[in-house]
Amino acid sequence: DAGVIQSPRHEVTEMGQEVTLRCKPISGHNSLFWYRQTMMRGLELLIYFNNNVPIDDSGMPEDRFSAKMPNASFSTLKIQPSEPRDSAVYFCASSLNRGSTGELFFGEGSRLTVL
Amino acid sequence: QQQVKQSPQSLIVQKGGISIINCAYENTAFDYFPWYQQFPGKGPALLIAIRPDVSEKKEGRFTISFNKSAKQFSLHIMDSQPGDSATYFCAPSYNNNDMRFGAGTRLTVKP
Repeated sequence: DAGVIQSPRHEVTEMGQEVTLRCKPISGHNSLFWYRQTMMRGLELLIYFNNNVPIDDSGMPEDRFSAKMPNASFSTLKIQPSEPRDSAVYFCASSLNRGSTGELFFGEGSRLTVL
Repeated sequence: QQQVKQSPQSLIVQKGGISIINCAYENTAFDYFPWYQQFPGKGPALLIAIRPDVSEKKEGRFTISFNKSAKQFSLHIMDSQPGDSATYFCAPSYNNNDMRFGAGTRLTVKP
């Protein structure tokens, strides 16, 4: 079975450029989470969706960040404009929510470097 | 992350020793208490999890202990091996919502 698929795996861009990270969750999962990981701040929850609907985006650092989930099999995290402090590994995770908490399945992550 | 405190931040154990990592939480509504393991360059993966109706769960060398009254749960790794060297995260949650991770514990098992 295919796991959570993220792209790109690595992205190097210059400050001010737009960055789009993509995620394909595991088929049948109805919850999707975006995390950011840095040495200083650890693993931060940015936003999560249930049944394609954003539930809590309080972790999104600022208006430069936006996330969408147009359908059950695809989500994007966009940063516009990007800044050097956005450099981090961004993880997408999905789970099956059947009314009680279940296991999170993570992708391999997208390593973003903003110069 | 403010509701979850994980300790220690780092841990060095000799091969064959016992590794113990702790997680304290505030939200009494949490109903799922997992530990995730992350190797460098990989995403975290579920190692073991417990629900509040039991106080302990054992899977091989890994045991999770849950103390509801103290609002704490811990991970014990028996007979620690160099291959266990990784970062471990607790991530208690309620109803699949708000799955925030602890700060992480970097475990090094020396041969």
